[in-house]
Amino acid sequence: AQSVTQPDIHITVSEGASLELRCNYSYGATPYLFWYVQSPGQGLQLLLKYFSGDTLVQGIKGFEAEFKRSQSSFNLRKPSVHWSDAAEYFCAGSGNTGKLIFGQGTTLQVKP
Amino acid sequence: GAVVSQHPSRVICKSGTSVKIECRSLDFQATTMFWYRQFPKKSLMLMATSNEGSKATYEQGVEKDKFLINHASLTLSTLTVTSAHPEDSSFYICSARGQGGAEAFFGQGTRLTVV
Repeated sequence: AQSVTQPDIHITVSEGASLELRCNYSYGATPYLFWYVQSPGQGLQLLLKYFSGDTLVQGIKGFEAEFKRSQSSFNLRKPSVHWSDAAEYFCAGSGNTGKLIFGQGTTLQVKP
Repeated sequence: GAVVSQHPSRVICKSGTSVKIECRSLDFQATTMFWYRQFPKKSLMLMATSNEGSKATYEQGVEKDKFLINHASLTLSTLTVTSAHPEDSSFYICSARGQGGAEAFFGQGTRLTVV
């Protein structure tokens, strides 16, 4: 069965520190992969997406993600975290139907 | 980019009443729309997929008589929560995809509270 897994439910980092959020997928073929961010009480904002091509994807707000086929991973990174990055982060995958399977989400807390 | 508008953003209704949520694609024709539900502090779960002019396909465990989905035009899909109960309180969010598109675009979501 298709699935997307985010192993870390909650992560705390200090402001200015680097960040990596993990995402693993299980699909029959390489899926389209997405990272979304959700602030409390808000909708989803797309950070970046991978369809094909260059495996290092640049997104908004200084985020990037790297697709690694050998590890079935699509980890999200940011070199220096800001307090405003505190939020819920969701990794998601889809086939060519547009139907998304979401990971469980990772709550990011940023310490001053 | 493609814009999807969802309305209302928040709604409070009394137990036993029905509430309708609209999802509109503003600048493209949405041949497929998806409806998701998010419980507090949980991830998003797909409820159903609707294709314009066809009956919606519901995911396992979703009551189709409870959550009525209509996708009568290429720019509008509606989700009606019938005979709402407090356990239906949740965040509902739609996404829409154009013909052949690889990506579906999300609306802003609707926070439903049933009292």
